[in-house]
Amino acid sequence: KQEVTQIPAALSVPEGENLVLNCSFTDSAIYNLQWFRQDPGKGLTSLLLIQSSQREQTSGRLNASLDKSSGRSTLYIAASQPGDSATYLCAVRWAGGGNKLTFGTGTQLKVEL
Amino acid sequence: GAVVSQHPSWVICKSGTSVKIECRSLDFQATTMFWYRQFPKQSLMLMATSNEGSKATYEQGVEKDKFLINHASLTLSTLTVTSAHPEDSSFYICSAHGQGRPNEKLFFGSGTQLSVL
Repeated sequence: KQEVTQIPAALSVPEGENLVLNCSFTDSAIYNLQWFRQDPGKGLTSLLLIQSSQREQTSGRLNASLDKSSGRSTLYIAASQPGDSATYLCAVRWAGGGNKLTFGTGTQLKVEL
Repeated sequence: GAVVSQHPSWVICKSGTSVKIECRSLDFQATTMFWYRQFPKQSLMLMATSNEGSKATYEQGVEKDKFLINHASLTLSTLTVTSAHPEDSSFYICSAHGQGRPNEKLFFGSGTQLSVL
């Protein structure tokens, strides 16, 4: 069964700290992987999209890596800020699975002053 | 970037009534739209996939007669929760995909919080 898991489920860090969020997937045959941010009661904001042929993507203080062989992706957030507090979701589009996404369970991040 | 508009953002209704949620792609033609449901503190679960002009494909365990999906045009898909009950209270969110762009990001609506009393 194709599943996506995120660890940890929740994370609290002091402002300014660098942090890593983890995403694991059970099938290495992926089309792409996307990281999203979700604020409470809100929709999703796409942060980074990594194609299956890519190893990493960067946007500002965010860097996402992809290792298909090990079934892992990480989202690195540098110099965290209170405004980064949100739930972070990774989602996989499987090869041959059309355009639908399988979402991970999410990591709820709190950055404290 | 592409914009997907979803309305209403929240709705409260009495048990037994039907609720319609709209999802519109504002600046591109969405050949495929997806409907997800998210219960508190859980991740998004795909409910159904709708392709313009054809019947929706529902995921296992989702009642097609309860969650009616219409995708009559390339810019609009609707989800109707028929005879809603308190257990249907959830956050519903749509996403849209453009034609012939398999590597594009999927774009999401802002979601609809449904509360059934």
